[in-house]
Amino acid sequence: IAGITQAPTSQILAAGRRMTLRCTQDMRHNAMYWYRQDLGLGLRLIHYSNTAGTTGKGEVPDGYSVSRANTDDFPLTLASAVPSQTSVYFCASSQTGGNQPQHFGDGTRLSIL
Amino acid sequence: GQNIDQPTEMTATEGAIVQINCTYQTSGFNGLFWYQQHAGEAPTFLSYNVLDGLEEKGRFSSFLSRSKGYSYLLLKELQMKDSASYLCAALDSNYQLIWGAGTKLIIKP
Repeated sequence: IAGITQAPTSQILAAGRRMTLRCTQDMRHNAMYWYRQDLGLGLRLIHYSNTAGTTGKGEVPDGYSVSRANTDDFPLTLASAVPSQTSVYFCASSQTGGNQPQHFGDGTRLSIL
Repeated sequence: GQNIDQPTEMTATEGAIVQINCTYQTSGFNGLFWYQQHAGEAPTFLSYNVLDGLEEKGRFSSFLSRSKGYSYLLLKELQMKDSASYLCAALDSNYQLIWGAGTKLIIKP
């Protein structure tokens, strides 16, 4: 079944550790996105990529990095995790064109202790 | 600044109709999305409006007024499975989505 796969589903991580959240899509979408979702707040864009080989910063990029080596994969890395990065992280993708709906993965629940 | 406002929570009765409002202020505007998100799950796309008026899709309809910076999602013949959060998101001049915090809809029998 076509879609977006995120891994891991959940993770508990010690502060200061490095962590990479994985995201893979098989819909051949050019655009991909990483969001964090916190209680009482809307989805906040961390980083995005409009096409393979390019990335851009979203609303809350500090402490996170991404890469887009190919169309399918868009990993998100926390170089040195801090407790404020405890959140639910969603990866999404869409066809090219800003008015195309985004398709979301099931999310990664990350707790930083 | 850019802002999306929608009610935090609403309660409705099974079989009834509910309207979820959303007001937006963005730098430029290229359309408005509604998504549904069940607890613990991913958001799923419901509708997209860019022109004024009502778009109907089965039990769900979405309305847009660009001049008023206003949209609503109308859910008819409510079912228990409609209990979820409904997210409003506006597309700004840079084609970035600005998300509201979501409206949690509780359906009572």
